[in-house]
Amino acid sequence: NAGVTQTPKFRILKIGQSMTLQCAQDMNHNYMYWYRQDPGMGLKLIYYSVGAGITDKGEVPNGYNVSRSTTEDFPLRLELAAPSQTSVYFCASSYFQNRDRNSNQPQHFGDGTRLSIL
Amino acid sequence: AQKVTQAQTEISVVEKEDVTLDCVYETRDTTYYLFWYKQPPSGELVFLIRRNSFDEQNEISGRYSWNFQKSTSSFNFTITASQVVDSAVYFCALSGNTPLVFGKGTRLSVIA
Repeated sequence: NAGVTQTPKFRILKIGQSMTLQCAQDMNHNYMYWYRQDPGMGLKLIYYSVGAGITDKGEVPNGYNVSRSTTEDFPLRLELAAPSQTSVYFCASSYFQNRDRNSNQPQHFGDGTRLSIL
Repeated sequence: AQKVTQAQTEISVVEKEDVTLDCVYETRDTTYYLFWYKQPPSGELVFLIRRNSFDEQNEISGRYSWNFQKSTSSFNFTITASQVVDSAVYFCALSGNTPLVFGKGTRLSVIA
């Protein structure tokens, strides 16, 4: 069972470089999310998607872009890396259906991508 | 707006002691879900429990138990007879019709 797969696990970038963090899930979940976790802090939502072709901003979207062309994939793009984006990034997925009391199953998290920008 | 407060930043206990982690939440949604996650030193997030707002039954799973009280907007987590392997950061989270909102976490250290 693969679940949520994130690549890469670690990356060091120089200021101003760009990169894409990959996230894939094989559970046919409709919702996908990107969070960042700064040292000693909880997780903050960057972007989320309720289905293919639909994305929405979270709490801290600035400096990031996402796309959701398929149900399975939800890549996160950093265009101009800045030191403030040094963090651990978690991708997650869940099944959510409104009016279904048994939905909103717990979000399944990937193992995280540790990103350092120097 | 939804908010989760975990007032305890760090807790240290001696092995075999019981420990309770507090979680207080704020939401205007009438239907919502509460979660606890464990983040061990290895960094991954491990799901522990989900609770629906319309089900206030407390739950016990082995050494873990959860006390959900809508009247005080709290969803506290108790570990009985703590073990060194329980050392981790524990996050409480809330979701209504929106993605999860996390508390800042409580770092639990269990000392042998």
